[in-house]
Amino acid sequence: QSVLTQPPSVSAAPGQKVTISCSGSSPNIGKNYVSWYQQVPGTAPKLLIYENNKRPSGIPDRFSGSKSGTSATLGITGLQTGDEADYYCGTWDSSLRAGVFGTGTKVTVL
Amino acid sequence: EVQLLESGGGLVQPGGSLRLSCAASGFIFSSYPMTWVRQAPGRGLEWVSAIGGSDGSTFYADSVKGRFTISRDNSKNTLYLQMNSLRAGDTAIYYCAKGVCDRGMDVWGQGTTVTVSS
Repeated sequence: QSVLTQPPSVSAAPGQKVTISCSGSSPNIGKNYVSWYQQVPGTAPKLLIYENNKRPSGIPDRFSGSKSGTSATLGITGLQTGDEADYYCGTWDSSLRAGVFGTGTKVTVL
Repeated sequence: EVQLLESGGGLVQPGGSLRLSCAASGFIFSSYPMTWVRQAPGRGLEWVSAIGGSDGSTFYADSVKGRFTISRDNSKNTLYLQMNSLRAGDTAIYYCAKGVCDRGMDVWGQGTTVTVSS
């Protein structure tokens, strides 16, 4: 049972925007950075956002991250069919002294 | 090219052991913390264990604490996960990753499959 909660699914038409929430608590998101990962089924996860809002080289600026209090949000603008995947947030939990992932969100492009 | 390559997965009976390896290349391995993440069939990502780069501090999920041991050999650029007392619930694809969960894991291996079944 994950300590980070995400909506099971979100969907939008091509070109539209989606946001994915990641809800945690004080020991995890409240105290630590958040990262976001994209996973196309059958492949390894890929880092999209690190340290709340930074994009690795090669990740388009259509992907953005933010954090406020004990929640974080991933935004995807200009939705493309290639964005269909599962998305996970991740952080450190200072009480558990362990890493934690969100429950995952499936993005569908209508 | 920065790369991680896992090996050592397979079919094992409940109660058995396996040692996973993750060979790193293309970066200064000793400078980075490393993490193991697993994914059971049809399920989400589960953080398993992490190890510091230079100090070698180790951390474990409660689900594997006391059964799994993470280690690294910086001279061989290799990360390990010794898994003992395996259970059916440990069946998953195991990924090694460069970095840690909060600051971001920017390189992932292709995964190695562990199946625990009689």
